[in-house]
Amino acid sequence: GEDVEQSLFLSVREGDSSVINCTYTDSSSTYLYWYKQEPGAGLQLLTYIFSNMDMKQDQRLTVLLNKKDKHLSLRIADTQTGDSAIYFCAEWGYTGGFKTIFGAGTRL
Amino acid sequence: DAGVIQSPRHEVTEMGQEVTLRCKPISGHDYLFWYRQTMMRGLELLIYFNNNVPIDDSGMPEDRFSAKMPNASFSTLKIQPSEPRDSAVYFCASSLGLGRGNEQFFGPGTRLTVL
Repeated sequence: GEDVEQSLFLSVREGDSSVINCTYTDSSSTYLYWYKQEPGAGLQLLTYIFSNMDMKQDQRLTVLLNKKDKHLSLRIADTQTGDSAIYFCAEWGYTGGFKTIFGAGTRL
Repeated sequence: DAGVIQSPRHEVTEMGQEVTLRCKPISGHDYLFWYRQTMMRGLELLIYFNNNVPIDDSGMPEDRFSAKMPNASFSTLKIQPSEPRDSAVYFCASSLGLGRGNEQFFGPGTRLTVL
């Protein structure tokens, strides 16, 4: 079945770049999202990318999409302690019905 | 706007009891979503509503789960009877639309523990 996979943990030094990776299986996904979840809080949308794009940059965040390999990554430049959180990758599609699948989350 | 409001924030109950989780979406949002988050299964979409009408409940795990949206500003997720495996964090989210980057705004979640 359809799935979204992420590594569970990532540890980096303050000031370094963080790269969080995600793979998905549904090629019909229209949008791919990155959410951030801080302790005790709900998910907050960080950024998203449309499936016909291969890169999107938003301040310290860079999203790269390799549609052929179904691979998505989130790069956080100059990582700060406030970036510590769980980051979820999610795919979204609407073919015959709305569908969204979240990855398990990467704890940074 | 105060954002999506969920209550209670924490709920501890005994197996077999009825549990009702509540959600108030952001005013003006046409879509409301219920999610469940567990360590084992991650974040799962249970059901979503459009203009108070349930559109897709295929994520609801069992008949013990039911959700209603009697009006645009209120939704409930009910579990009857509850079981220990229902223990999870339940999130409600709302959005203006679907897709096109329509952001889903999440509530803080209800942490449910069934003993």
